[in-house]
Order: sequence, then C-alpha cells, then structure tokens
Amino acid sequence: AQRVTQPEKLLSVFKGAPVELKCNYSYSGSPELFWYVQYSRQRLQLLLRHISRESIKGFTADLNKGETSFHLKKPFAQEEDSAMYYCAQTGANSKLTFGKGITLSVRP
Amino acid sequence: GAVVSQHPSRVICKSGTSVKIECRSLDFQATTMFWYRQFPKQSLMLMATSNEGSKATYEQGVEKDKFLINHASLTLSTLTVTSAHPEDSSFYICSARDPYPGRTVYNEQFFGPGTRLTVL
Repeated sequence: AQRVTQPEKLLSVFKGAPVELKCNYSYSGSPELFWYVQYSRQRLQLLLRHISRESIKGFTADLNKGETSFHLKKPFAQEEDSAMYYCAQTGANSKLTFGKGITLSVRP
Repeated sequence: GAVVSQHPSRVICKSGTSVKIECRSLDFQATTMFWYRQFPKQSLMLMATSNEGSKATYEQGVEKDKFLINHASLTLSTLTVTSAHPEDSSFYICSARDPYPGRTVYNEQFFGPGTRLTVL
C-alpha cells in the first residue's frame, strides 16, 4: 500500500531562515510526487510536482529514489509562506495519497 | 481556469437526516472526481472515486450505502450522506481532474473549498 510520511507536524522559523519540510514515500514503482499547499481560509492547491523540476515561489523539491524522499526546501522563508503543506503521491491507480501535513509558521 | 466549486460550504443537520453535497467543475469537463474526508488536524482521506456515467469506486472501509455518489454529468458529482449521525461530522472535500494534458499539469487535481458537515 502507498504511504506518505511527513514526520513533523509543525515547523516554526524566522523570516529569512531556510526551510526544509520532510516527506518520505513508500511506493516501490515509479510514483508521481506532489506538494500541495493550503493557505489560511483557502482551498488546497498544487505547489509543485517532481516531474516539472521547477521552482515555485522559491520552493524546490528533489525526488531521491534511494532515500524514497521528496523534501520541500526554500533557502529564505517569507511570512507569506506560512501555511499547511501536504506531500502526496500517486501510484499506478492515479489516486492521490496524502501525508498528514505540516504547518509552517514564518515569524517576522 | 480549472475551478472547482462545492455547495453548500457549511451544513448543520439533525441526526437521521440525509445531506447532499455538490461538486462542480466550472470551466472544464471532469470525467473523474474524487471525494475526500478530513478530520481536524489530520490528513485528507480518499473516500471514493466518482466516474461520470458509471458507478463510483469506494475505498476500503467506506460504506457505499452510507455515502452515495452520483456523477451524472461531466461537470457535477454529488455526495449524499444518508441517515447522518454525529460521527459523520467532518470536512468533506472534492477534487476534479482535468483529463487534457495540454491545458494543465497532467493528472493534476483541482480541489473544491470543502463542505463542513455538522450532525447534531
């Protein structure tokens, strides 16, 4: 069964500090990995996916098949980055499996 | 583009009644929609996959007679919580997948704003 693990529930940093949100997955095939973000009082939206290999809002995530990880990183956090972040994967059935999510709080 | 709406955004009902939640794709046709349930401070749990013109596919442990799903058109899926009980109180979220890879990120799901159900 697919499983996505986000080991931390909360990460609190000061503005300008680096951020790394951890995510590990369990699917043994060729998964698609995603990061979704939910800002306060807004709906869930896609932040980035591993196939795109792009940087969105300064965030990047690299798929590491050896460590089965897809950590989300940003070198300098901004206050507007404060939100709930979910790591997710799809497998052969194209269904999304979400991690439990992590709250990122960026303090001024 | 690629907007998904849900109605109602919030509903309070008495135990034993049925509640219908609508999910609409506003500017694209969605052959597949998904229904999730989210408990407070927890992750989204996939309940079922709604397929236009055919029966929904339910995840293990989800009662199909309890959570009726109808996907009658390419832009509308409905979830009916039948004979609701307090334990059904939750946040229900739908998503839709735009099947045309040229327009959006392929396989990307677009989420509705969610419906808060409270059963008294």
